[in-house]
Amino acid sequence: DTEVTQTPKHLVMGMTNKKSLKCEQHMGHRAMYWYKQKAKKPPELMFVYSYEKLSINESVPSRFSPECPNSSLLNLHLHALQPEDSALYLCASSQQERNTIYFGEGSWLTVV
Amino acid sequence: AQTVTQSQPEMSVQEAETVTLSCTYDTSESDYYLFWYKQPPSRQMILVIRQEAYKQQNATENRFSVNFQKAAKSFSLKISDSQLGDAAMYFCALRSYNTDKLIFGTGTRLQVFP
Repeated sequence: DTEVTQTPKHLVMGMTNKKSLKCEQHMGHRAMYWYKQKAKKPPELMFVYSYEKLSINESVPSRFSPECPNSSLLNLHLHALQPEDSALYLCASSQQERNTIYFGEGSWLTVV
Repeated sequence: AQTVTQSQPEMSVQEAETVTLSCTYDTSESDYYLFWYKQPPSRQMILVIRQEAYKQQNATENRFSVNFQKAAKSFSLKISDSQLGDAAMYFCALRSYNTDKLIFGTGTRLQVFP
């Protein structure tokens, strides 16, 4: 079973709101990722957590704040976003030995 | 720096026919994985096939197969007996053994006509 679950599927938020995207996997994967994808573009890596520690931050603005409460959960806290942050946010996970990255269905974010 | 290039922005194929999507890459690493992902209109990124660089044998998964040419740094995807459900954006991707980064190409949009 290669399932990564993301909630919510759709989110509309104002520029002054605080919201969170959630991601869960029960495959025992040790790495979890956040990607941002704009229309007709490939996904862009934002953050990587390895063994619950932040291992990669691709110079993402501080209005995006990741959190990994445990090995199965990954959150992305959103605050003071801009309309250009509207995109599909993909969560993913991987098991080191197999090195395949599995993606969730994504959360569509619209900032108004 | 590692790069992945997909030179075909769009491709089309008739149902039941065969189509090949091209991908070239550049890396200085000797150990790496290559992947093809499919992203249908629902936008979920689905793994189609993967190839480990140390394996000479080309990977196959049912109607999907790859032509992996390590020296030429080429990794094309062949879809046989194309089906309407194969219509999607296809991304080629590269991952080195010693990194968590997945490098994507720009994608090829595949249309399948009945």
